[in-house]
Amino acid sequence: GESVGLHLPTLSVQEGDNSIINCAYSNSASDYFIWYKQESGKGPQFIIDIRSNMDKRQGQRVTVLLNKTVKHLSLQIAATQPGDSAVYFCAEANAGGTSYGKLTFGQGTILTVHP
Amino acid sequence: GAGVSQSPSNKVTEKGKDVELRCDPISGHTALYWYRQSLGQGLEFLIYFQGNSAPDKSGLPSDRFSAERTGGSVSTLTIQRTQQEDSAVYLCASSFLSESGILFFGSGTQLSVL
Repeated sequence: GESVGLHLPTLSVQEGDNSIINCAYSNSASDYFIWYKQESGKGPQFIIDIRSNMDKRQGQRVTVLLNKTVKHLSLQIAATQPGDSAVYFCAEANAGGTSYGKLTFGQGTILTVHP
Repeated sequence: GAGVSQSPSNKVTEKGKDVELRCDPISGHTALYWYRQSLGQGLEFLIYFQGNSAPDKSGLPSDRFSAERTGGSVSTLTIQRTQQEDSAVYLCASSFLSESGILFFGSGTQLSVL
């Protein structure tokens, strides 16, 4: 797994800008990837997921891109709003496990949106 | 309630004491997970329950940690002889299908071991 230090990566954007949050995953056997958003004092909240047989998936204002060659995942948020300010986590799982809910989380990125 | 409920929201205990943390999953969700979130280790998987199957305990950090799920619903995570390194937020999550990574998390229990 990955360890988290006291200094998470941060991204600071202006309201209305597009945001891109990046994540490098470690297990080449992982075939399922997911993004969660966590606001202060709350548990993580699902944003979007993608399976390894896809390289792009779009949701409402969000897009996830997967590059298996370099083991890289990104989350794009269009027209970022102050309510998007949170910590964003990528996570991975694989079909060899007992459940896709048995996730290995990345360290997280703090997104701050300025009005 | 509509979401995953955890209690207590905060727990302060002394080193060496036992603690019990409770989770009420979303009604109808067959899969239940415990995760731990700490500054040093991020979000870590602890244990997973699915229906009547034997739980996946592969993430439990030591034999001081145990969990049970009664009647396929409520779950209790027990930490015996707590240590300071057990201080963390303990998060419970549930999902409708074990084939899904879409988990619904509770707000967690903040455990502080003095």
